[in-house]
Amino acid sequence: NAGVMQNPRHLVRRRGQEARLRCSPMKGHSHVYWYRQLPEEGLKFMVYLQKENIIDESGMPKERFSAEFPKEGPSILRIQQVVRGDSAAYFCASSPRSSGELFFGEGSRLTVL
Amino acid sequence: DQQVKQNSPSLSVQEGRISILNCDYTNSMFDYFLWYKKYPAEGPTFLISISSIKDKNEDGRFTVFLNKSAKHLSLHIVPSQPGDSAVYFCAAYFGNEKLTFGTGTRLTIIP
Repeated sequence: NAGVMQNPRHLVRRRGQEARLRCSPMKGHSHVYWYRQLPEEGLKFMVYLQKENIIDESGMPKERFSAEFPKEGPSILRIQQVVRGDSAAYFCASSPRSSGELFFGEGSRLTVL
Repeated sequence: DQQVKQNSPSLSVQEGRISILNCDYTNSMFDYFLWYKKYPAEGPTFLISISSIKDKNEDGRFTVFLNKSAKHLSLHIVPSQPGDSAVYFCAAYFGNEKLTFGTGTRLTIIP
């Protein structure tokens, strides 16, 4: 019974490039959340998705960031034209329902040079 | 607007003693509270939770206390062990809302 799987674990990008982070939720979980942790800060909510739908993207920057959770395949967090300030750990979490306990992946650490 | 606050960024406790981590919240709508533990380079893992209808929940060495009137909760770990050294996040939600996390407290257990 695999947990939440994120890849890549580490990603290095130069300014202006695109970063794609993938997340496969736990089996049976249809609710996916993305959180970001900046250095020395807590976990900040970015976006909440169910299959094929974005439910809440109130924490996502309006530009350059997008997320999807297609009918088939993993959830993708996409950051276009990355800047140094995007360097952070991005955590995906899943849940069998719309609220409550979340199960986290190990995170994807993005470094922008 | 930080709705969940952990005012102590770090805490050091002697092995075998009690560790007390504190959390305050501002949103009176929150009705469920959770603590997560995070080791470096790993994702947060759920530790213990409490519903607003209770004021205490215990699980082994871990106890969470909730004071609704003060909008305050605390996590007690006793006795503290070296493996407890980690960052602890307090989180809260209500209804179908997303989890809101605090900024975390780094706990170091001194052998």
